[in-house]
Amino acid sequence: KAGVTQTPRYLIKTRGQQVTLSCSPISGHRSVSWYQQTPGQGLQFLFEYFSETQRNKGNFPGRFSGRQFSNSRSEMNVSTLELGDSALYLCASSLGSSGGTDTQYFGPGTRLTVL
Amino acid sequence: KQEVTQIPAALSVPEGENLVLNCSFTDSAIYNLQWFRQDPGKGLTSLLLIQSSQREQTSGRLNASLDKSSGRSTLYIAASQPGDSATYLCAVRRNTGGFKTIFGAGTRLFVKA
Repeated sequence: KAGVTQTPRYLIKTRGQQVTLSCSPISGHRSVSWYQQTPGQGLQFLFEYFSETQRNKGNFPGRFSGRQFSNSRSEMNVSTLELGDSALYLCASSLGSSGGTDTQYFGPGTRLTVL
Repeated sequence: KQEVTQIPAALSVPEGENLVLNCSFTDSAIYNLQWFRQDPGKGLTSLLLIQSSQREQTSGRLNASLDKSSGRSTLYIAASQPGDSATYLCAVRRNTGGFKTIFGAGTRLFVKA
């Protein structure tokens, strides 16, 4: 079974631009979560989608948004990029079940550099 | 507000040593707790998941325990190897109408050959 894939793997943008990152979950998984990882703040939760609905959101400004499609693939968008948005963006997928055994599987991440 | 703390922040041990990594969390209303390892510049690899109703899980040389009442989890690594060198992350998952995962800052482990 293929793992979680993220595209692109590396991205360089300039301040003020916008960026879209993509995540394809493991087949059959309906929940996708996004995280930002930086050396200073560690791993921080951005948002979680299940069956095309955002179920939870972290403490990030409105410039960060996302969506999920009917095939469970997800995209996140960052508008008006700032230098502080430089980070590794990680996507995780899971079944999204409520039984307590819902394991998250992570993709390799997208390394975003804002100049 | 859930906070997750990992101690120590870094650890260097000789090959073959048994070691314990610690994770503490402030809110015991968790859905599950998952331990991950991360190699430099890479994504996260799931090691063990403990449901909130469980006390421990084992996989090979790894054993993770959970004590919800005291807000603690430990990851025990037996007979450490240089290939175990990585950052180990503890993640607490909550279900508040939707899943939210809070990560600790991690323990950076170096196993010397």
